[in-house]
Parts: sequence; C-alpha cells; structure tokens
Amino acid sequence: GDSVTQTEGPVTLSEGTSLTVNCSYETKQYPTLFWYVQYPGEGPQLLFKVPKANEKGSNRGFEATYNKEATSFHLQKASVQESDSAVYYCALSDRGSALGRLHFGAGTQLIVIP
Amino acid sequence: EAAVTQSPRNKVTVTGGNVTLSCRQTNSHNYMYWYRQDTGHGLRLIHYSYGAGNLQIGDVPDGYKATRTTQEDFFLLLELASPSQTSLYFCASSDDRADTQYFGPGTRLLVL
Repeated sequence: GDSVTQTEGPVTLSEGTSLTVNCSYETKQYPTLFWYVQYPGEGPQLLFKVPKANEKGSNRGFEATYNKEATSFHLQKASVQESDSAVYYCALSDRGSALGRLHFGAGTQLIVIP
Repeated sequence: EAAVTQSPRNKVTVTGGNVTLSCRQTNSHNYMYWYRQDTGHGLRLIHYSYGAGNLQIGDVPDGYKATRTTQEDFFLLLELASPSQTSLYFCASSDDRADTQYFGPGTRLLVL
C-alpha cells in the first residue's frame, strides 16, 4: 500500500543554518505530494503541494521538488528562523481509491535555537 | 479558507466512559476525516466520510465509531473509553478527494 517515510526527529538547528528533511514515498499511483506544518497548539496546515512530477513547490522560504524517479520529496530551507520551530509532515494523496485520502509520514519536529 | 471547529477542546473521562467529540466545517466540503496524533506515530486516520450518512473505515478504527449527520457535522464516539485512547484528536475536511485537507484546532482527550 501507499506509505511515506521521513526524517526521524527531533532535528535541532541553530538560527541561520540550512534545513533538509528527507521524505520518501511508496505508491503505485501518480500522487500529489504535500508538506504540512504544525505549530505548537494548532492543527496541521498546508505548507505547499506539488501535483506533478519534476515540479517544485515553495512557500515561506521552504521548497521541495517532486522527484518521481527517486520517489522523494525532500523539504529544504536555506536559513531557518526560530519561528520555523514546528512539526513538519510529508504526505501523499491516494487517487487510486474511490474515496481518496492522504497518507502522512510520522512527522519531523524541528527545533530552532536562537 | 476552510473553517473547521472542534469541541470540546479538552476532555477528561474515566475508563469505560462514553465520549463524543464534535467537528463542524462551514465551507461546504464533502469530505471529513478524524485523526489521532500520538508521539512517534504522527497522524493516524480513524474514520472518514464523503457525505451525510456515509462512513469509511480508516487505519486505526478499533474502539471508535463515527457518524456524519449533515454535510457540516462529523462526530467521533468512544463508547467504552480506554487509557490507550488518550490522545490528541484532529478533524479535517476537504473539497476534493485526495486533495488539501483543512484541520481543526484539535481535542485533547485524557482517559484515566
């Protein structure tokens, strides 16, 4: 079945350093890929999504490229800020089922130290 | 942007107790979902629905029932709560299957 595997957290970085959160997926379909972010005390919210292979998504300085050959969708940011401290979820859609749903990774907690 | 509200925001019950968690969305979305969130497991899908009266089983349905009474309202029922159901519960909705889901603020449930 469909699944998503991402970097195990927590990931602790100093402000101004670069971030990479790895995300790999398994599916027999042609999914849309998502990154969600969850700030403390809130529900997850969409960071960005990419519906097509070989395209890049971005938002708030974060970016990821849909790599169909490598089945990867790694999240990157060149310079993190303390306000980026949150949990990040990679997810893929499942258009193969009649109803559709998202499959989420286990989440990666990012802690940014000022 | 979709508005999803959940109530209560916090709930404490005892083992064997009866709990109902409520979710309402006001953007006329067809699809609604219930997740639980636990450390080390991320978001796990309990039940979901594509319309009033419809119910689909998710990945971790044991011990949970759900009911979609209207397009706006989706309820999660724990009829004999157990400590293993202590968790943070999120409701979400989406307009299209397998597309962006909008999450509520969550309900924190403690089963003693």
